[in-house]
Amino acid sequence: DTAVSQTPKYLVTQMGNDKSIKCEQNLGHDTMYWYKQDSKKFLKIMFSYNNKELIINETVPNRFSPKSPDKAHLNLHINSLELGDSAVYFCASSPRDRGDIQYFGAGTRLSVL
Amino acid sequence: GESVGLHLPTLSVQEGDNSIINCAYSNSASDYFIWYKQESGKGPQFIIDIRSNMDKRQGQRVTVLLNKTVKHLSLQIAATQPGDSAVYFCAFSPAGGFKTIFGAGTRLFVKA
Repeated sequence: DTAVSQTPKYLVTQMGNDKSIKCEQNLGHDTMYWYKQDSKKFLKIMFSYNNKELIINETVPNRFSPKSPDKAHLNLHINSLELGDSAVYFCASSPRDRGDIQYFGAGTRLSVL
Repeated sequence: GESVGLHLPTLSVQEGDNSIINCAYSNSASDYFIWYKQESGKGPQFIIDIRSNMDKRQGQRVTVLLNKTVKHLSLQIAATQPGDSAVYFCAFSPAGGFKTIFGAGTRLFVKA
């Protein structure tokens, strides 16, 4: 069983469209994250949720809206996609109080044309 | 400000040799110093971490060294294998915190 799974794996879309990426973890973790990795492999945190509550929002444009229906799921919705949104997006989770040990999904490669 | 950086963007080693990946940091307000490994097409994978009150920690074939005086972190891999080829990230995290800052990454190539 995959511990942290995100779908889709690839997403190709036109500028201006709205898209969502889903993430689920079956590890029983309280904390989930979204990261953006650019073409130079730089990995930057976007959001962090703990028990369905937003605790970190790293100055991400408000076109990006995370939603956590329960603590096992953290979805990412992106409105009005721009070329600069093209990247690999990773979902991750960690045990309570151990944010250093994060389990990552396989990533979603988003290409905005 | 907070930053985690790397001395070498790429490292090429011969199979069987030891590898050393280095990382410099500027922010001392962290409790955990961490190494992640990212293989091609996959997400980062936790390897090992060290708390700020330690200077050395060993795992299976890996050793992490922390020098707080010069703000330097290193990952040593013994008897490097082809399966060790990946991008390695250093990162730091406050105790119980939810914000982990990742460095830029070092790509390790293992030559057979």
